[in-house]
Amino acid sequence: DAKTTQPNSMESNEEEPVHLPCNHSTISGTDYIHWYRQLPSQGPEYVIHGLTSNVNNRMASLAIAEDRKSSTLILHRATLRDAAVYYCILRDFQGGGADGLTFGKGTHLIIQP
Amino acid sequence: EPEVTQTPSHQVTQMGQEVILRCVPISNHLYFYWYRQILGQKVEFLVSFYNNEISEKSEIFDDQFSVERPDGSNFTLKIRSTKLEDSAMYFCASSTVLANYGYTFGSGTRLTVV
Repeated sequence: DAKTTQPNSMESNEEEPVHLPCNHSTISGTDYIHWYRQLPSQGPEYVIHGLTSNVNNRMASLAIAEDRKSSTLILHRATLRDAAVYYCILRDFQGGGADGLTFGKGTHLIIQP
Repeated sequence: EPEVTQTPSHQVTQMGQEVILRCVPISNHLYFYWYRQILGQKVEFLVSFYNNEISEKSEIFDDQFSVERPDGSNFTLKIRSTKLEDSAMYFCASSTVLANYGYTFGSGTRLTVV
C-alpha cells in the first residue's frame, strides 16, 4: 500500500472545526483515500472515503487536493466524543475486498472542553 | 445500525494453550478479517477470508493461526499454542464485496497470555 503521513497529534477546542491533514504523495490512480478513527478501548471505526471529489457524510467531510497528493478530514464541530486516533489509509480498489488495511500511527486528536 | 459482535471481550489463557476467538460479522457482508493490536502499537492485518477460504494473510499469520467459518454466522480465529507475545487486542471486521466501501470492526477481544 502507498504510504501516508500524518501529524502525530493535534489539539482543538470543543465546538470548533478540526482539520486533520494527510499527505500521500505516492498515491496511485486506483487508490481510494479512506479515513478511520479509533476511540479509546474500541475497534477502528470507518469515517469516510473518497477518490477525487470532496465528500460529505453525517460524520465528517473529506477535502481532496486536485493532484490527490494530500487530503484533509474536516470535523465541522468537534465534541469531546471525537477525541480519538484518526487514520488516513489508501486502499487500491483493484484489490477487490480481500486486501487488508495498512494502519499507520495516525493522528491523536485531543479535544479541550 | 448493524454491528460486528465479538466474544469474549476478555480472555486469559496460559502459555501453550489453544484459544478460539469468536466473531459474528454483519449478515450480508461477504469479506471477513482479523486484525490485532498489541498494546500501544499499530493495528495490524492478520488475514482476510472470502468464499470459505483465506484470501490474503500477513507474515504474522503463521501456522499457529487458523480461521474458520463453521456455520452461516460465526467466524473464528484459533491460536493453537499461545505465546506471551500473542497478548493483544484482536479485532474482527467485515465488509461488502465492493472495495470502495468501509469495513465494520467489532469492539475486540483482549487476549492475555500468562
